[in-house]
Amino acid sequence: DAKTTQPPSMDCAEGRAANLPCNHSTISGNEYVYWYRQIHSQGPQYIIHGLKNNETNEMASLIITEDRKSSTLILPHATLRDTAVYYCIGSSGNTPLVFGKGTRLSVIA
Amino acid sequence: NAGVTQTPKFQVLKTGQSMTLQCAQDMNHNSMYWYRQDPGMGLRLIYYSASEGTTDKGEVPNGYNVSRLNKREFSLRLESAAPSQTSVYFCASSDWAMLSGGTDTQYFGPGTRLTVL
Repeated sequence: DAKTTQPPSMDCAEGRAANLPCNHSTISGNEYVYWYRQIHSQGPQYIIHGLKNNETNEMASLIITEDRKSSTLILPHATLRDTAVYYCIGSSGNTPLVFGKGTRLSVIA
Repeated sequence: NAGVTQTPKFQVLKTGQSMTLQCAQDMNHNSMYWYRQDPGMGLRLIYYSASEGTTDKGEVPNGYNVSRLNKREFSLRLESAAPSQTSVYFCASSDWAMLSGGTDTQYFGPGTRLTVL
């Protein structure tokens, strides 16, 4: 499965959009991109996943570049409760997901 | 629905003691997982079970055993606890089916905080 690269940390002002990048330049055609987040001391929470097309749900939007080598998770109006570690994972579904260290997002009032 | 439940929430052991962490899910999921998370680190997969009656090693299986008791329950046993096993342990479940691939949306329990002295 594709190795993903994320910045270790980011800040975002409360009420602004948080754009979290992820590079997955070795991703293959059948690999999905998953995003999870982990709020302090809690179990990780699924956010969204996509294959080729952009996806949106009640939590976030996922924008995947046309060449599929990178993606961006967008939280449209970040709140203090969105402060968490965000994990980007590439997986074909043949093996379990592998969680890296993710991006620590701090939403600042 | 309770989702994924884990017991106990906290545990302190002495080196050499044994214990079993319990996990249950009520979502009729095929797959279940055990992860550990050390301070400042991401999650590392210990063992997983892609279907009832099967278990497979993950990234860090040494020092642990697992049992998929039935479709609902997946337990993790430490036979002889060591200080290096001090960690937060998370159980998860998903509808992922290894042989057919597909998506793997995992649902996590609240975690067990284990300290080994």
